Amino acid sequence: AQRVTQPEKLLSVFKGAPVELKCNYSYSGSPELFWYVQYSRQRLQLLLRHISRESIKGFTADLNKGETSFHLKKPFAQEEDSAMYYCALRPSMFSGGYNKLIFGAGTRLAVHP
Amino acid sequence: DGGITQSPKYLFRKEGQNVTLSCEQNLNHDAMYWYRQDPGQGLRLIYYSQIVNDFQKGDIAEGYSVSREKKESFPLTVTSAQKNPTAFYLCASSGTSEAFFGQGTRLTVV
Repeated sequence: AQRVTQPEKLLSVFKGAPVELKCNYSYSGSPELFWYVQYSRQRLQLLLRHISRESIKGFTADLNKGETSFHLKKPFAQEEDSAMYYCALRPSMFSGGYNKLIFGAGTRLAVHP
Repeated sequence: DGGITQSPKYLFRKEGQNVTLSCEQNLNHDAMYWYRQDPGQGLRLIYYSQIVNDFQKGDIAEGYSVSREKKESFPLTVTSAQKNPTAFYLCASSGTSEAFFGQGTRLTVV
């Protein structure tokens, strides 16, 4: 079954501390992985995706196929990073469920001053 | 702004009534989705559609129905069969890359 697991509901850190939001997935093929973010009173929006291999707002995420993980990391957290973060998976474009987006339960990141 | 619009923003429904949530997009996306967002449970997929006149059940489709008569529109009906309809509902659309989300509709059953 296709599944995305975010084991932490809440991650609380102090400003300047490193952050790692965990994401594990269950999928037999080669999925596309995403991180979405929802700031207070704003729409859910894309933060980054694994095929871009870019750093957005200081965040990076590496797809580890061996561990089926896509953890989101930032070396120094800022207060404005406080938000809800969702990991998402889209099955391989060669499968029938290509456009089906599957989300994890989300992790709330709270960065304290 | 956005390209995907949900209406209304707030909706109140009496028990036993059906209610329809609107979702429109002008992004020319083939795929559209409905999610339910509850505290502590993240985004759960209700229905999704990959193309006009086609849609599939997600993980929590019971008590909901959808239609996809036009590419731009993917309305969601919350029926009286849905046991716990009070929630925040999010619509999204996607092409070949990222998904774009609406502002959401908060439905309250009174």
